Amino acid sequence: DAGVIQSPRHEVTEMGQEVTLRCKPISGHDYLFWYRQTMMRGLELLIYFNNNVPIDDSGMPEDRFSAKMPNASFSTLKIQPSEPRDSAVYFCASSLGIGAGELFFGEGSRLTVL
Amino acid sequence: GNSVTQMEGPVTLSEEAFLTINCTYTATGYPSLFWYVQYPGEGLQLLLKATKADDKGSNKGFEATYRKETTSFHLEKGSVQVSDSAVYFCALSDRNSGSRLTFGEGTQLTVNP
Repeated sequence: DAGVIQSPRHEVTEMGQEVTLRCKPISGHDYLFWYRQTMMRGLELLIYFNNNVPIDDSGMPEDRFSAKMPNASFSTLKIQPSEPRDSAVYFCASSLGIGAGELFFGEGSRLTVL
Repeated sequence: GNSVTQMEGPVTLSEEAFLTINCTYTATGYPSLFWYVQYPGEGLQLLLKATKADDKGSNKGFEATYRKETTSFHLEKGSVQVSDSAVYFCALSDRNSGSRLTFGEGTQLTVNP
């Protein structure tokens, strides 16, 4: 069975450019999460969706960040314009239900903004 | 609010050594507790969990016991292998906070042959 699929795995871009990260959750999972991981701040929850609806976006750092989930099998995280401090590994995760259930993570998208 | 505190890393051990990674938590309700592991270049994956006090989670030789009296969930393994080298994250989920996972800062473990 396919796990959570993220693309691209690596992206290098210049400051000011738009970045779009993509995620395909595990089929049948009703929750989708976007996390950011950096050495300085560790693992941060940016936003999560339930049945394609954003539930909590309080972790989104600023208006330059936006996330959408147009259907149950696809989500995007967009940064426009990108800045060097956005450099991080961005993880998508999905789960069936929330709480004591297991989160399944993708392999991450490593973003470098020059 | 909820929080998870892990022992500072990095931790370096020789193969077959005993491992303990400390984890303590603060929660407003009765959380479920988890250990996730992140191998190099990969996403996190669930290692073990415990959903109520005195429960012991175990997997791949790792164990952790949910201690409500000390608000702890320490990870242990009797004999580590080189392949256990990874970052380990303690986490909790509390229904009073919408049941989202709150992660600790992670502990880097390196096992040398």
